[in-house]
Amino acid sequence: GAGVSQSPSNKVTEKGKDVELRCDPISGHTALYWYRQSLGQGLEFLIYFQGNSAPDKSGLPSDRFSAERTGGSVSTLTIQRTQQEDSAVYLCASSPETSGPNYEQYFGPGTRLTVT
Amino acid sequence: KNQVEQSPQSLIILEGKNCTLQCNYTVSPFSNLRWYKQDTGRGPVSLTIMTFSENTKSNGRYTATLDADTKQSSLHITASQLSDSASYICVVSGMDSNYQLIWGAGTKLIIKP
Repeated sequence: GAGVSQSPSNKVTEKGKDVELRCDPISGHTALYWYRQSLGQGLEFLIYFQGNSAPDKSGLPSDRFSAERTGGSVSTLTIQRTQQEDSAVYLCASSPETSGPNYEQYFGPGTRLTVT
Repeated sequence: KNQVEQSPQSLIILEGKNCTLQCNYTVSPFSNLRWYKQDTGRGPVSLTIMTFSENTKSNGRYTATLDADTKQSSLHITASQLSDSASYICVVSGMDSNYQLIWGAGTKLIIKP
């Protein structure tokens, strides 16, 4: 079946504008993750959704960042009043479960965000 | 503090040669260690996952080793191909959280013809 898809693939925005990034996980996957990857850095965990449970938002860097997942499927990451330091690649991943040590996370291609 | 460090930061080798990438971690208690391959402009793709009890795992020309006592792992690539050019990322999961992974910064590998 189809993999994880993200849109847009690239986004250039002016400082202070709001942006929305979309993630379509693999059908049937209950877990969804958002990460941020800055140049030369490891992936930074942002937020985790699992089924109908309350999301783990502990990785969100500020209250300008928020995410939602509608109907247990599509997720949107919103960044308000963007700053230049928000420029990065935003990666979404999904997995069928998170129980057991060997679960797999399947990644989308990412959205490259550039704030000018 | 839970950390994953990789070396070298970048590596250039000739096609057909072998190479070994290193990973040291301080994550404790340890659950599992993964190696991912990330092509430019793409998301990471899993190569291997190893738990505490496993000390080697292969996936084609990729062989990962794990020494849980010294908290070190390596990824060996045999008979490199141009398509192996990518970033290789070491990722460690702790017992405290099954989904919050600790990501290394990666080794950028370039294979030259």
